[in-house]
Amino acid sequence: SQQGEEDPQALSIQEGENATMNCSYKTSINNLQWYRQNSGRGLVHLILIRSNEREKHSGRLRVTLDTSKKSSSLLITASRAADTASYFCATDPNQAGTALIFGKGTTLSVSS
Amino acid sequence: KAGVTQTPRYLIKTRGQQVTLSCSPISGHRSVSWYQQTPGQGLQFLFEYFSETQRNKGNFPGRFSGRQFSNSRSEMNVSTLELGDSALYLCASRQGLGELFFGEGSRLTVL
Repeated sequence: SQQGEEDPQALSIQEGENATMNCSYKTSINNLQWYRQNSGRGLVHLILIRSNEREKHSGRLRVTLDTSKKSSSLLITASRAADTASYFCATDPNQAGTALIFGKGTTLSVSS
Repeated sequence: KAGVTQTPRYLIKTRGQQVTLSCSPISGHRSVSWYQQTPGQGLQFLFEYFSETQRNKGNFPGRFSGRQFSNSRSEMNVSTLELGDSALYLCASRQGLGELFFGEGSRLTVL
């Protein structure tokens, strides 16, 4: 069963705009990770934020984590057509040896 | 460093047959996880292997099985295929508790 739930399910924006995706989860976590998937391909890791961190940046990506609300957001600034993909959050539960659990993802479409 | 390699990339089977999928992890990675991805259910965790031992198992019937070899390569097997087993099967490896490195997947179509 899914631990994380992304919102919205789909997002369409113009190039240059910012895209924000949200993820909510249910149990305590060690860390939360965001992944990207181009259509029919494997997932690519974008960023990892630990449970004691509140915000992290990587290039045009900004991730926030609110453990009290059990939620995270991924912001992509100045979107490009090449950012078109599905984005997934994955939670690493706070239990030794537990597998990463993925949400159903947000499909982002960036038009030029 | 070579990435995660999955074979075959595409395959078509008929109901009742069985299938074996292979995954070679990144060199030095001892943990290999398998996921099933379908449009309706998203990414569902199948199982994880670490040093030839199954460490975690998802909520899938016994028709789904796997194993890991001493060189960390892993295989998963699905027996008595059903139409609903049509999916993209993704393998991922990692070191410790960090990020997962995914292969390109094996797309299985069951007719």
